[in-house]
Amino acid sequence: DTAVSQTPKYLVTQMGNDKSIKCEQNLGHDTMYWYKQDSKKFLKIMFSYNNKELIINETVPNRFSPKSPDKAHLNLHINSLELGDSAVYFCASSQDRPGAPQTQYFGPGTRLLVL
Amino acid sequence: SQQGEEDPQALSIQEGENATMNCSYKTSINNLQWYRQNSGRGLVHLILIRSNEREKHSGRLRVTLDTSKKSSSLLITASRAADTASYFCATDANNTDKLIFGTGTRLQVFP
Repeated sequence: DTAVSQTPKYLVTQMGNDKSIKCEQNLGHDTMYWYKQDSKKFLKIMFSYNNKELIINETVPNRFSPKSPDKAHLNLHINSLELGDSAVYFCASSQDRPGAPQTQYFGPGTRLLVL
Repeated sequence: SQQGEEDPQALSIQEGENATMNCSYKTSINNLQWYRQNSGRGLVHLILIRSNEREKHSGRLRVTLDTSKKSSSLLITASRAADTASYFCATDANNTDKLIFGTGTRLQVFP
């Protein structure tokens, strides 16, 4: 009964390929996020969706395109993969309540290695 | 960069000792959270402290917040080998929905 799940867990691919990472949450949360964690463990937000609507779009190359078919899913598609895309990508979700701080629930991560 | 900083970057202690990690941030906040990340896993929320609170406890965890210094500390008392993990602070920067994570402290607790 994983709350936030991601697939695949590991992804090894060649430069120039296109790949997708999927995320699903069964917590009934309204908001979902994608984060990138680099080799130095810096965790940086990439995108945030609230009820299928894009809320946060950090300075991320447009090769990265999030897609939210419904509020329980937020997938990340990456075109023309580059070596620098190698990282661990985390999906997270939160339930937004007006005036209340949000606690985020993270998936297990997808380890992407671009060769 | 908005990213918060944590120190130390790495901390090694013996079981039973206390571990203290510090976090400094740059902008005004509504709250500050601490997360834990076991090796190869996702982050897990530990505790949240609001900007009008100075100290909060949860089990063996004690968090302090000094908004005048823009800093927070996480104390783990009577540490256990299972506490070995990376610990991150996160702030809601500038009243946005975005969480800004610190650089993390890697804690190693030796049995």
